[in-house]
Amino acid sequence: DAGITQSPRYKITETGRQVTLMCHQTWSHSYMFWYRQDLGHGLRLIYYSAAADITDKGEVPDGYVVSRSKTENFPLTLESATRSQTSVYFCASRVPGLTTDTQYFGPGTRLTVL
Amino acid sequence: SQQGEEDPQALSIQEGENATMNCSYKTSINNLQWYRQNSGRGLVHLILIRSNEREKHSGRLRVTLDTSKKSSSLLITASRAADTASYFCATSKGSGNTGKLIFGQGTTLQVKP
Repeated sequence: DAGITQSPRYKITETGRQVTLMCHQTWSHSYMFWYRQDLGHGLRLIYYSAAADITDKGEVPDGYVVSRSKTENFPLTLESATRSQTSVYFCASRVPGLTTDTQYFGPGTRLTVL
Repeated sequence: SQQGEEDPQALSIQEGENATMNCSYKTSINNLQWYRQNSGRGLVHLILIRSNEREKHSGRLRVTLDTSKKSSSLLITASRAADTASYFCATSKGSGNTGKLIFGQGTTLQVKP
């Protein structure tokens, strides 16, 4: 199906483990984004990417690594998971064009770090 | 810090009533958007209003923007139980147009049948 998908949808891991969250979009949108959503904080931007091999930090990048070798994929890696990274993670892509910033969101990954 | 602050944090109304939620922001913007999030789902874009626009309509949605007060409101008319969701405003201010959005903390709307 066309759209933006995330996997896994749910993940439980332990402190110190490496975790990778996957994001895939079928529209060939240039821009992609990773957010985390926590109660009391709304959505906060972790990293974003303007195109393949171009990534930049957002508001809360510490503890996360991203890569973008292909336009359609934008994985997010927690190098050594901490309890504070327990959150719901959303991937999004941006509709192309200079006059719109509308973003399409994936369904989210609920991550629990024990 | 968050660009958008939303008010109220929670709103409970009866089906058929109108729902109004407000968003304030701190710096100049290119546009302001509203998104809806149903429980356990991703955000869905509802409407975008540009900085040179004052009002916009889409179906039962009406958005206003007052750049002098740095505020926006979202009105949902004749609400339905299916409108129960969280609503977020998001602002874009990028020169260079990176498309980065800054989200408010959201208003949780409950529409009782």
